[in-house]
Amino acid sequence: EAQVTQNPRYLITVTGKKLTVTCSQNMNHEYMSWYRQDPGLGLRQIYYSMNVEVTDKGDVPEGYKVSRKEKRNFPLILESPSPNQTSLYFCASSFFGRNEKLFFGSGTQLSVL
Amino acid sequence: EDQVTQSPEALRLQEGESSSLNCSYTVSGLRGLFWYRQDPGKGPEFLFTLYSAGEEKEKERLKATLTKKESFLHITAPKPEDSATYLCAVSRNTDKLIFGTGTRLQVFP
Repeated sequence: EAQVTQNPRYLITVTGKKLTVTCSQNMNHEYMSWYRQDPGLGLRQIYYSMNVEVTDKGDVPEGYKVSRKEKRNFPLILESPSPNQTSLYFCASSFFGRNEKLFFGSGTQLSVL
Repeated sequence: EDQVTQSPEALRLQEGESSSLNCSYTVSGLRGLFWYRQDPGKGPEFLFTLYSAGEEKEKERLKATLTKKESFLHITAPKPEDSATYLCAVSRNTDKLIFGTGTRLQVFP
C-alpha cells in the first residue's frame, strides 16, 4: 500500500530535550516536506526536500532541522524543543514538487512542556 | 500579501442539504488550486487540482470550480460520511504553496 509513515503518533517531551520525528514514504517520491498545523493558522511549511541531499527552508524553519540521506526518509529534528513548538506535524511527499498532488502522513501530535 | 481565505469556518448541514464552501485567494501568478479533505486525527487527503478559471472537476457528491478570485466546493446531497474539514491551497509561480485554515463540515442524519 502506498503510504507516508510518521512516527511517533504522539509525543510528550520537556523543553530542551532533543527529539526526532521520522517520516518514510514507499512511493519513490522525489519531493518531501514537513508542515505544522496550528488552530487558526492552517498548514505552514517547515522544510522541504526536492531530492536526496537537497533541502530548503519553508515558511517557519526556526528551531528545526532536517536531513535527506535516502530518498524514502526525511526525519524532522528538534535540537532544543520549546513550548511554542507544541503542534500537530505532518510529513508529505509527491512525485516532483509541491505543485503536485501531496500525500500526507497521519500526523505527529507533539507537546513540549 | 498572498492570502487564502476559506468560508465559512464551520458548516452544519442536514443529510441531503446541498451547499457550497468558498476559497478566495489573492496571489500573483496562480499555478494551481488544490482541495484536500482532512478527517479528525488524520492527514489531509487530496481531492482536486484546478489550474485555470472556468475549470471544473467532480468526484462523487463533490464538485470544484475555479474563477480568477475564488474557488467553490459544491456538495450535493451530502451524507454523514462527508463530514470532515476541507482545506484549500494555492500555489504561485514561485512554487510556494499556501493553505487556508479550512471549513469544518458536519452532516447530520
